[in-house]
Amino acid sequence: DTGVSQDPRHKITKRGQNVTFRCDPISEHNRLYWYRQTLGQGPEFLTYFQNEAQLEKSRLLSDRFSAERPKGSFSTLEIQRTEQGDSAMYLCASSLGGGRSGNEQFFGPGTRLTVL
Amino acid sequence: AQRVTQPEKLLSVFKGAPVELKCNYSYSGSPELFWYVQYSRQRLQLLLRHISRESIKGFTADLNKGETSFHLKKPFAQEEDSAMYYCALSGPSGGYNKLIFGAGTRLAVHP
Repeated sequence: DTGVSQDPRHKITKRGQNVTFRCDPISEHNRLYWYRQTLGQGPEFLTYFQNEAQLEKSRLLSDRFSAERPKGSFSTLEIQRTEQGDSAMYLCASSLGGGRSGNEQFFGPGTRLTVL
Repeated sequence: AQRVTQPEKLLSVFKGAPVELKCNYSYSGSPELFWYVQYSRQRLQLLLRHISRESIKGFTADLNKGETSFHLKKPFAQEEDSAMYYCALSGPSGGYNKLIFGAGTRLAVHP
């Protein structure tokens, strides 16, 4: 499968624990995006990278959230001291470029986080 | 404020009936509009984008800047069109990078 992959697909954790998700983009894509989707809503933008540089972060991304893309390939999203409100589907997407003509984003299957 | 509104959570039609999924947006500038679709147990995927002006799986969408709308239409619905449909936009303030999604409309096509 040459599409975007995410690991794990499901994560159940207790409130206060830290969790880390991984996203592997399509290999030649230099842009990588993280979104969060709660029940009954569309995906909400969290952050994106161009290569290893994190270029934009949403106000939704509190200090407990951190994302990295150390070598411009895979990315990790860490949530510290999880809260029940963090329960959501976390989606990763990648694109070959940016701007108006190059921004088709390909989505991964998502990681479903449940915080008990 | 940048916003995408999909007023219907559920649209239920019979096979062969016309379909129109509504999308209205609020954005100052020249956004790019998209429709994404998610079939059961599949990932979110791009259906069409307004700059391409193409028909995909019989679906079309026209950008109406006066009404700030980007409704998705199909003249004759098929059962395999049953899915979750999301309207989204990207705009120059974000370098046409981040997508802003509506809440989605579930289309159910009955035999």
